[in-house]
Order: sequence, then C-alpha cells, then structure tokens
Amino acid sequence: QQQVKQSPQSLIVQKGGISIINCAYENTAFDYFPWYQQFPGKGPALLIAIRPDVSEKKEGRFTISFNKSAKQFSLHIMDSQPGDSATYFCAVTIGNEKLTFGTGTRLTIIP
Amino acid sequence: GAVVSQHPSRVICKSGTSVKIECRSLDFQATTMFWYRQFPKKSLMLMATSNEGSKATYEQGVEKDKFLINHASLTLSTLTVTSAHPEDSSFYICSAGTATDTQYFGPGTRLTVL
Repeated sequence: QQQVKQSPQSLIVQKGGISIINCAYENTAFDYFPWYQQFPGKGPALLIAIRPDVSEKKEGRFTISFNKSAKQFSLHIMDSQPGDSATYFCAVTIGNEKLTFGTGTRLTIIP
Repeated sequence: GAVVSQHPSRVICKSGTSVKIECRSLDFQATTMFWYRQFPKKSLMLMATSNEGSKATYEQGVEKDKFLINHASLTLSTLTVTSAHPEDSSFYICSAGTATDTQYFGPGTRLTVL
C-alpha cells in the first residue's frame, strides 16, 4: 500500500508561471511533511517542510499548503524559473523516523 | 544548512568484489543515518536505518548480509556492498537525521558493477 501518492508524474510550466505539485497520504499519525528537490546525479535537497499545526508555510517563492482534514499537502512554486527544473519529492514521517517518499514529479520550466 | 558528504561519488568495480561507501555528517552529529537506493527516474527506496553504536534495521527485502552497514560514530556511517553483482548497480544515497526530524541527504554514490 502506497503511503503517499504524488501527482502529477511530470509537469511543464512556462517561465514565470506557478508550478503546483500535490501529495495525499493516509496515515493521520504523520507529523512532518517535507519537500525535496533533486537534480540529475545529485542527492535530494530539503526545500521546505511543514508540520500539521499550520495550514501554510512560505519560504521565498516556495509555499506548502496543508489540508489536514483532506490529508493532502501541496508545493507551490511561484514565478517558476528554468533553474527550478528538477524532480520534486514529497515525503511523510512520524517523529524522527524514516521518511516515506512520494513517486516524484519531474518539473520542466520552459522559456 | 547541515552538510552530508559521501565518498566515493562514483565507483566502478568488477563482479564479485566488495565496495565500501562512506557517509559523513560534516557539521552536526547525527543520531540516525539512513541508506537509500534509487533507480533511474524512480523514487528513493529506504534500505536501512542505522543508529550509532547499534545494529542497523533493514527494510523488508533488503539482504543484511549483502549490504553491511556500520555506524561507528555520530558522524560516520558506512555501507559495504559485498560480492557485488551487476544487479547491484544503482545510485546509493545516505541521509543523516537530526533531533528536529529534518533529514539531510548526501550527494549520492553511483555504483556500476561490471
């Protein structure tokens, strides 16, 4: 059973547009929801993370929206740039335990 | 942010040999380190969790005798792929966990077994 479902699998957005990636989870015990950015041949880098006590967190052009009742959270990238082209993974975890990753979204920003 | 290093970044070896990959947390102490495997265009698959001074906990389906993990200190964990075969070729990534839930990932090691 997949603990976290991520969509879309791939996404093409025009430069300056908003990129939106969604994740849905089942286990209400999850209490930490990070997003990671990965470039080809590199390890994932933590982008932004949220805990369930807030509904939104913003860091620069990156925003996480969290809907506890729907068990969904999403990543919004405002003013998307070509340098944002990468694969994005959502993840879930409980406390300091192992991360469970989504299947990934390949984002391409076109000029 | 915290920095995690991996060495080597790339290794090519012959079938039947063993390969050791090091993972170090450079500017913080990691009570827990994790080892992942990633196939091309796929997500990260957790192989094992290791805590300093204790035996690693392996995920279902991961052979503990094949993938030996040692967590000798709060800043160093090693993964040894024993008697490597072509099907072990993959991208191996470690991460180091902090007390605040955040995991920081290393740059990965590309293993190619001929």
